[in-house]
Formats: sequence, structure tokens, C-alpha cells
Amino acid sequence: QKEVEQNSGPLSVPEGAIASLNCTYSDRGSQSFFWYRQYSGKSPELIMSIYSNGDKEDGRFTAQLNKASQYVSLLIRDSQPSDSATYLCAVNSGAGSYQLTFGKGTKLSVIP
Amino acid sequence: EAQVTQNPRYLITVTGKKLTVTCSQNMNHEYMSWYRQDPGLGLRQIYYSMNVEVTDKGDVPEGYKVSRKEKRNFPLILESPSPNQTSLYFCASRPLGRTNSPLHFGNGTRLTVT
Repeated sequence: QKEVEQNSGPLSVPEGAIASLNCTYSDRGSQSFFWYRQYSGKSPELIMSIYSNGDKEDGRFTAQLNKASQYVSLLIRDSQPSDSATYLCAVNSGAGSYQLTFGKGTKLSVIP
Repeated sequence: EAQVTQNPRYLITVTGKKLTVTCSQNMNHEYMSWYRQDPGLGLRQIYYSMNVEVTDKGDVPEGYKVSRKEKRNFPLILESPSPNQTSLYFCASRPLGRTNSPLHFGNGTRLTVT
């Protein structure tokens, strides 16, 4: 069973701080990794995607991938109250697969 | 505007009354999928389709049916809904050809079965 694990939280950070969200996955053949943000009752929206080891930055967001450790993370710099949401990690289910396996999500709360 | 459209957004029904939730995408995506989301359980895949007339079971297919007669449409059918199917449902699509293409989600359908 391919698994994607996330700490469910809630993770609370003060406004302006760095929020660090972590995800581990079980399938060593996975090649594509995605972070989605989901507000309560709304649909997931894509924040970041990453495919190669290392860091990928987009504005206040940085995704980090370490395939050897089967670990992907999302850093949110200068956290804002509007960043308060659940963050879902998604991993493609093996090489060449179009199936995505989702973690259960980490709830982030940014305190003003 | 490129989008995945689900209808209805909210649905309240009674046990055993057949219902259909529609899903349509205008991005010419081959792959479409249905998920349900429940507190503490995350997103769970119900069914998916790789192309017209090609469907396959996901993790929780019991009690659901789907069809893919046209590329753009992927309706979810509950022939005899039960209260344990009360959930938030999402349709999603993505193009084939690149495994690094993200899923595009619809706005969701909140279903209550009494």
C-alpha cells in the first residue's frame, strides 16, 4: 500500500514567521510531488509542484524534495492569516503512473 | 476559462433515492477522477477514468458507479444512497502524457443522505 504521511496538526505559527510543513512517502518510484492548499469546505488548489531533488521557490513558498529520504516539505515565509488552511501533500503513485496518493493534510493556523 | 464544473454544489436526499452528480471539464483532459473527503480520512479515490469508455476502481468504489461516454463528462451515480455516503465529493482532471501535470479540481458537491 503506497502511503503518504503528514502530521495532522494543527500547526500554529505567529504572523510573519516561517511555517514548515512536512510529508513522507513510501514509494521510492515516485517522481512527481505536489502541494495543495485547501480552505475549509473548498476544493484543493495547487500551490507548488516539484520533481527534482533540492529546493524550488515561488514567491513566499519553497518546496524541498529529498528522494533519498523520501521526504518533501513546504516552507511558507512571512506567514499571513490568509495562509490558514489545510495543506495536502500529493505524490504520484510510482514511475509512469497518473494516479496521485494524497496525505491526510496538515492544518495550519497563522495567529495575527 | 479552464475549469472543472460539478453540479449540484449541495444535495440533500433520502436513503435509496438514486442520484447523479455531474462533472464536466473543458480542458480536453483524458484523465478524470472522483474523490470523497471525510474528516480525519482525507481524500479517497472512488473511481477514475483514463479515457472515453475506460474506467477503473479507486480505493472506495462500493456503492458508486461512473460512466465515461464523452471525454468531457464523468458523472458519479449513486443508485441507492446510504447515510454513510454523506460526504464532500470532488471531481478532478489532468492531461495524460506528463506524469508531472497536476490535478485540477472542481468546486465540490456536499452530499447529505438522511
